[in-house]
Amino acid sequence: GAGVSQSPRYKVAKRGQDVALRCDPISGHVSLFWYQQALGQGPEFLTYFQNEAQLDKSGLPSDRFFAERPEGSVSTLKIQRTQQEDSAVYLCASSGRQGAHGNEQFFGPGTRLTVL
Amino acid sequence: AQSVAQPEDQVNVAEGNPLTVKCTYSVSGNPYLFWYVQYPNRGLQFLLKYITGDNLVKGSYGFEAEFNKSQTSFHLKKPSALVSDSALYFCAVRDNDYKLSFGAGTTVTVRA
Repeated sequence: GAGVSQSPRYKVAKRGQDVALRCDPISGHVSLFWYQQALGQGPEFLTYFQNEAQLDKSGLPSDRFFAERPEGSVSTLKIQRTQQEDSAVYLCASSGRQGAHGNEQFFGPGTRLTVL
Repeated sequence: AQSVAQPEDQVNVAEGNPLTVKCTYSVSGNPYLFWYVQYPNRGLQFLLKYITGDNLVKGSYGFEAEFNKSQTSFHLKKPSALVSDSALYFCAVRDNDYKLSFGAGTTVTVRA
């Protein structure tokens, strides 16, 4: 089906390496979200895009985290100089209508990042 | 600020018995409430939502949830649980903002 896809599904990085995580939202979805899910916890909001505009990045834990969505579709979450505390599952979600607060978000399978 | 509490880390029921997963919330505005289910190594799957209207919301796979404004609760229910319902369940809330705030999750185990 045409759901949200993420790649890679698993990523192992050595501490200090840079990583890039990709999200392909559902075609036509205006809103795109990134969440971080630590082991045994619920997802935590990282950042939000409406089309190509990053409207909220308040959840990004440090300036080592950077997200972009240059053409309003595919998004990339980049983490520079990875640390062990960055180990988590990174979830991407998209939703349809702009400004529709009641719209549910559709989630991808996530990327499990392990930093050694 | 908005938040969600799922008071039970685990819920265990026998197949065929009723299943209830509890959720309470806190928001400053009107609540938009959601339930998601997560299977191992998979993303979150949407089950149901409350936006407005009837307090009893019906969703996917026979699940339903009851919105109770006075108790600020949104408990998930299923009249007759299946072994395949064993998974991790998350309650989430959003007020007039776009951010979802999730609970810590409840692991449901349905034994045959």
